[in-house]
Amino acid sequence: NAGVTQTPKFQVLKTGQSMTLQCAQDMNHEYMSWYRQDPGMGLRLIHYSVGAGITDQGEVPNGYNVSRSTTEDFPLRLLSAAPSQTSVYFCASSQGSKYLTFGAGSRLTVL
Amino acid sequence: KNQVEQSPQSLIILEGKNCTLQCNYTVSPFSNLRWYKQDTGRGPVSLTIMTFSENTKSNGRYTATLDADTKQSSLHITASQLSDSASYICVVSLNYGGSQGNLIFGKGTKLSVKP
Repeated sequence: NAGVTQTPKFQVLKTGQSMTLQCAQDMNHEYMSWYRQDPGMGLRLIHYSVGAGITDQGEVPNGYNVSRSTTEDFPLRLLSAAPSQTSVYFCASSQGSKYLTFGAGSRLTVL
Repeated sequence: KNQVEQSPQSLIILEGKNCTLQCNYTVSPFSNLRWYKQDTGRGPVSLTIMTFSENTKSNGRYTATLDADTKQSSLHITASQLSDSASYICVVSLNYGGSQGNLIFGKGTKLSVKP
């Protein structure tokens, strides 16, 4: 039982490049979400999903795209990376909203 | 505006000592309050979750309290260990049903336990 798996753990991009952060969970959780964590800012919600085929925007969605074609996977796409997107990204899942399980994080640097 | 404020921002204590972290919130309608522990370079891990009717909950050496009237919560760590060095995050859930879009995160308290 792996929980929530994020890949890659580290990534360096150049401004304007695109990439996808992968998130997979094996707990059959309905809810999945993406957060970014910046120094002094706490965790901020980017996008979330309440089930396959259903996504919604969080607090800071601009520059990011998501889709949820299966229960297990919830990839986060950066369309055209900017230095302001340098951050640590966390994927989380839960059955109901009570007990979030977070992944180990993906550290992204945009030059 | 829904907000969660934590204090202090950072704290240094000696191994074996007790400490208390604070969380004040202005969130309505309130559903539940959670405390998470986040080790450096790792994702947050849930410590406790309390609903409106609960005013204390323990998880080993961690004890969380909730005063829904004053909208304050505290996390008390007893007999601290070096492994308690981490950031502790307070999260309040809005009562809009089950959705991860209804969580308000505090900025965390960074605890350092020194030998």
